[in-house]
Amino acid sequence: SQELEQSPQSLIVQEGKNLTINCTSSKTLYGLYWYKQKYGEGLIFLMMLQKGGEEKSHEKITAKLDEKKQQSSLHITASQPSHAGIYLCGALPGGAGGTSYGKLTFGQGTILTVHP
Amino acid sequence: GAVVSQHPSRVICKSGTSVKIECRSLDFQATTMFWYRQFPKKSLMLMATSNEGSKATYEQGVEKDKFLINHASLTLSTLTVTSAHPEDSSFYICSARPLVSEQYFGPGTRLTVT
Repeated sequence: SQELEQSPQSLIVQEGKNLTINCTSSKTLYGLYWYKQKYGEGLIFLMMLQKGGEEKSHEKITAKLDEKKQQSSLHITASQPSHAGIYLCGALPGGAGGTSYGKLTFGQGTILTVHP
Repeated sequence: GAVVSQHPSRVICKSGTSVKIECRSLDFQATTMFWYRQFPKKSLMLMATSNEGSKATYEQGVEKDKFLINHASLTLSTLTVTSAHPEDSSFYICSARPLVSEQYFGPGTRLTVT
């Protein structure tokens, strides 16, 4: 089965600092989603990567998927307190199709704290 | 972006009773929705895939008679926790896909069984 490992498990940074969160898969990824979650709330979709070497940006957040499609990184530039939360990567396993398409396996999450 | 809603957001029930949670796609149709469960400080675990007009597909270890799923329309899936027990207390989240490249989650429902 697909397993996702996120690192670090938690991260505390000062406002304005850059940071990176990694997500490593035990198998080739068909697609990789990044979400942000406030504790006790739903998930906010950030972006989805599908092609090897793909990179997407939204505001101050950039996500990349490596060429082998087994590792993704999420980079936040000039972090702000509003970036605080739990970041989750979710993967579509390779070969998933039909009505099973969309079944995501999640990493354990990275808790980000940004001190003002 | 696409919106997925859940109702109720919080529910407290007594042990032995049943609780129904609704998941709606507000501005798109979803033939498939997914139900996840999240324990405190843990990641999400997929419970089942809800298929419009047919039976749900359950993940290994999830009791289908315990967690009844009905997907009666293209915008509504319901999860009923039957004969709830304290160990069923959890955060339940649904998701749906308006496009192949996107998957949106509802705000979640916190269930507490006393």
